[in-house]
Amino acid sequence: QFQLQQWGAGLLKPSETLSLTCGVFGASFSGYYWNWIRQPPGKGLEWIGEIDPSGSTDYTPSLKSRVTISVDTSKNQFSLRLSSVTAADTAVYYCARGRRVAYYYDNGGYRHRAIFDFWGQGALVTVSS
Amino acid sequence: DIVMTQSPDSLAVSLGERATINCKSSQSVLSSSNNRNYLTWYQQKPGQPPKLLIYWASTRESGVPDRFSGSGSGTDFTLTISSLQAEDVAVYYCQQYYSTPLTFGGGTKVEIK
Repeated sequence: QFQLQQWGAGLLKPSETLSLTCGVFGASFSGYYWNWIRQPPGKGLEWIGEIDPSGSTDYTPSLKSRVTISVDTSKNQFSLRLSSVTAADTAVYYCARGRRVAYYYDNGGYRHRAIFDFWGQGALVTVSS
Repeated sequence: DIVMTQSPDSLAVSLGERATINCKSSQSVLSSSNNRNYLTWYQQKPGQPPKLLIYWASTRESGVPDRFSGSGSGTDFTLTISSLQAEDVAVYYCQQYYSTPLTFGGGTKVEIK
């Protein structure tokens, strides 16, 4: 049965680096796109970024300077690092699988579009001094 | 960035009645190349991660009850729950995947009247 399991530190001080890992169990790691999405307490969802099994990444511009998403295909895992955290980064962080639904040539390269068909259970990360 | 705006913020519907949620995008999410709307709907119950309900604006994900339906095109979309059940109490989000950054609506909370 397919599962996404998340782990990482839940309490950070301002200026520290958030680090979370998501393990993929029960399905192929390749052929999908692997995402991080966050949700501040009581608020809506924000897409952070994505990585494919080859290591190509795409990040939301507002976080791009602080975010790194990496992949370890040998362990079927992908990870999120967010540097210089502040209280505004307090949120439940979800990993999610992206299932490709579109693939097309555009502007000199191939592009894809994926939908989030499976989500991890989420990990609350609190930033507090 | 494409801004997604949902309405209403919340609604209360009697069991068995229809619930309608609206979603508007700041620009069209309809692709001219494949004539498809790059719009999904998710359901999030308290303490749980979101669950995919609908993609391509109107295609139900496998296993989703047929009382859930999506419609609309371009910039205006609707999620309809035709006969509200107790287990449908949740927050519903629309999301566009037409362009990055991928963006979500603010959510609509559905409760029982």
